[in-house]
Amino acid sequence: DVQLVESGGGLVQPGGSLRLSCAASGFTFSSNSMSWVRQAPGKGLEWLAYISSISTTIYYADSVRGRFTISRDNAKNSLYLQMNGLRDEDTAVYYCGRSWEVRGSDLDLWGQGTLVTVSS
Amino acid sequence: DIVMTQSPDSLAVSPGERATINCKSSRSVLYHSNNKNYVAWYQQRPGQPPKLIIYWASTRESGVPDRFSGSDSGTDFTLTISNLQAEDVAVYYCQQYYSSPWTFGQGTKVEIK
Repeated sequence: DVQLVESGGGLVQPGGSLRLSCAASGFTFSSNSMSWVRQAPGKGLEWLAYISSISTTIYYADSVRGRFTISRDNAKNSLYLQMNGLRDEDTAVYYCGRSWEVRGSDLDLWGQGTLVTVSS
Repeated sequence: DIVMTQSPDSLAVSPGERATINCKSSRSVLYHSNNKNYVAWYQQRPGQPPKLIIYWASTRESGVPDRFSGSDSGTDFTLTISNLQAEDVAVYYCQQYYSSPWTFGQGTKVEIK
């Protein structure tokens, strides 16, 4: 099956770190650009970061630039989000999403999400 | 940053009727090289991740029922759901992916009347 599966979420104290992973299967991961998007409880969608298929282009939202780092390992069909300096407002469900560079960056495949809770 | 403003915030439509959701971008999201507006629409059912239904403002994603359609006029974008079904109850988001940071509208909740 074509799918994305996020992992690595959990409870972390303010100021702490987490590394999220997104495992891709059923498609040629190295052909796609990828993004992270989050959704705070009861709120809307917030795009966080983008990485092109061979990691040559990376973008971040202002809210996470300097604290979060997106990366990928095409040999392992995996996408990552290293999150440092976590704040209460980073509490959210984190989704990874796939896009096709020839189409732009609409996200045609999403994972089920992983919940990150930042609390003391 | 490009701001995407959706209206209304919520609407209730009778089964079989039409739902219309609007989205306005704060500036052009037209990619001149291919004459496409870089706007997508997503459906998010309760407890589910978002699902892409429209990209390039009016191109329906594969497998999406043809009762979903998108249109554009300058910086105004519309998602129309014709013949509303019970399974269409969801929150709908527009998104621009013309320039970073990609931005979403605040969402429109569609309910059955």
